[in-house]
Amino acid sequence: QVQLVQSGSELKKPGASVKVSCKASGYTFISYAMNWVRQAPGQGLEWMGWINTNTGNPTYAQGFTGRFVFSLDTSVSTAYLQISSLKAEDTAVYYCALSSSKHWGQGTLVTVSS
Amino acid sequence: DIQMTQSPSSLSASVGDRVTITCRASQSISYYLNWYQQKPGKAPKLLISAASSLQSGVPSRFSGSGSGTDFTLTISSLQPEDFATYYCQQSYSTSWTFGLGTKVEIK
Repeated sequence: QVQLVQSGSELKKPGASVKVSCKASGYTFISYAMNWVRQAPGQGLEWMGWINTNTGNPTYAQGFTGRFVFSLDTSVSTAYLQISSLKAEDTAVYYCALSSSKHWGQGTLVTVSS
Repeated sequence: DIQMTQSPSSLSASVGDRVTITCRASQSISYYLNWYQQKPGKAPKLLISAASSLQSGVPSRFSGSGSGTDFTLTISSLQPEDFATYYCQQSYSTSWTFGLGTKVEIK
């Protein structure tokens, strides 16, 4: 069955970087694009963008350019989200989700605090 | 960008009640509308895709309707496990957008 398994929670200091992984299994990795969605504490779902798993070409939503980078390692069927120069307002749960909309990772909580 | 306006933002209902949540798109999205249920600490779960297609394993008390710009999620008889937050999402564009959510609480 299709599964997206994300890396564990992270606690980071302001200014640091974090890399969240999303390992896919149960399907051909390049069959679906990978989306990233952010959910700040107590807030709704915010689409961050997506990466074409065939070409590796990323597309970023407004507000997620510059410090946010999507990448892939197709050899291990894994997508990555890297956030640099972390700020307190980056504290959120980050989800990966297939372009089919049906399959989501379990979420990774990133906490930014001094 | 396509904006999604969801209402109400919250509602209180009793077990057995019929509940309706609406979602309006800022432009026509045909039937490219999904509904999710999210419980605290969990990832969103896709309930309905393509406006009205019930996902496998989702109880038949959930139904979706609409096309173009106006969509509805209906729970015909609210059950205790249905208390959660519901989101609509358009997939007409590769740039997804979500409604702000509807929190369904116990009256």
